[in-house]
Amino acid sequence: ETGVTQSPTHLIKTRGQQVTLRCSSQSGHNTVSWYQQALGQGPQFIFQYYREEENGRGNFPPRFSGLQFPNYSSELNVNALELDDSALYLCASSLGLERYNEQFFGPGTRLTVL
Amino acid sequence: AQTVTQSQPEMSVQEAETVTLSCTYDTSESDYYLFWYKQPPSRQMILVIRQEAYKQQNATENRFSVNFQKAAKSFSLKISDSQLGDAAMYFCAYRGGNMLTFGGGTRLMVKP
Repeated sequence: ETGVTQSPTHLIKTRGQQVTLRCSSQSGHNTVSWYQQALGQGPQFIFQYYREEENGRGNFPPRFSGLQFPNYSSELNVNALELDDSALYLCASSLGLERYNEQFFGPGTRLTVL
Repeated sequence: AQTVTQSQPEMSVQEAETVTLSCTYDTSESDYYLFWYKQPPSRQMILVIRQEAYKQQNATENRFSVNFQKAAKSFSLKISDSQLGDAAMYFCAYRGGNMLTFGGGTRLMVKP
């Protein structure tokens, strides 16, 4: 157990809908990163939040957006869902931005888009 | 852009034996970190071992060790005395900035 939790565990949506995924970081962790892991592939970086501000973004369109709250919980929002958005979504929290800091991963949310 | 390649989609090892998982990466940076993560069927990614690029000494964590060849941009993971609980997906990851770049993973099976 890493102390990072995500909800819900599974989610089924239809194309065009919007979805919100939630992450609760380890206590005191001010940095959260979100990753998309398609079936059979490695995770891909979506974006990172540090002290409630976006601090870097991967190659994902603007319909992927996020929020980080003062209590270090965070959300990933995806608008206008597409079939290719079906994946495992992982959040990872860490203490600060230093590259050596371990990122602690949650168990993920499995999103299926029909 | 950085890329990470794991050329072995699947590996198998007998319990108590040793196995080595391969990873190569491409970067123009000189200062970065490399990681091996384990993802069991429960899906929760767990850090196995990390290596700082400026350190020549290979990292070791109990039964896990790495062979870091900076010039060759190679970062392999050796698991000694393999146990049934080692069965999982293993991901090699690179961090130069604020993001982790992962390889495609290697599925490790451990035979009793």
